[in-house]
Amino acid sequence: GAGVSQSPSNKVTEKGKDVELRCDPISGHTALYWYRQSLGQGLEFLIYFQGNSAPDKSGLPSDRFSAERTGGSVSTLTIQRTQQEDSAVYLCASSLGRGAFTDTQYFGPGTRLTVL
Amino acid sequence: AQSVTQPDIHITVSEGASLELRCNYSYGATPYLFWYVQSPGQGLQLLLKYFSGDTLVQGIKGFEAEFKRSQSSFNLRKPSVHWSDAAEYFCAVGAPGFKAAGNKLTFGGGTRVLVKP
Repeated sequence: GAGVSQSPSNKVTEKGKDVELRCDPISGHTALYWYRQSLGQGLEFLIYFQGNSAPDKSGLPSDRFSAERTGGSVSTLTIQRTQQEDSAVYLCASSLGRGAFTDTQYFGPGTRLTVL
Repeated sequence: AQSVTQPDIHITVSEGASLELRCNYSYGATPYLFWYVQSPGQGLQLLLKYFSGDTLVQGIKGFEAEFKRSQSSFNLRKPSVHWSDAAEYFCAVGAPGFKAAGNKLTFGGGTRVLVKP
């Protein structure tokens, strides 16, 4: 079975441009997470989706960041007016979502974003 | 809020030698504990996890970890390291009790392991 996939694998953009990062979770997984891995901040949680519930956006660093999940599957993370400090690897993870505490999260390979 | 500390940023070990990676957490109760490995250019792969019960947990690739409540630690060990174990290792904590919040993971800063031939 396929794992979590993310696209693009690499994205280079200019400061001020908007970018969209895509995540395809494992089929049947209802929980989806976005994390950011950067040199200065390490690995940090961004946002969490569970089924049709309202997402937990508590980790989004600013209102330039948003995410949606269509049809309970694919998710898109959008960064508006990108800044150089947004440069990082963006990781997506999914889990079964049957029980929030014990689910194992499976990670995708990440999207490396470079803002020039 | 929970936090995770991995005191060692880099560790160099000879192939065949034993390895121990330290992880200390801060949380008001017993958290859920995880170790992930990230090889160059790869995503994070789960090595093992602890939720409850036996405090010595066996994982994949010959790794094990021991939960010590008194020390707030969850150190990862491997008796004999292989060159393929060169990677970055992350300890993570999940906080039970927040049903609406899923299992957000808080990660330590990571330990990069170099394996000498």
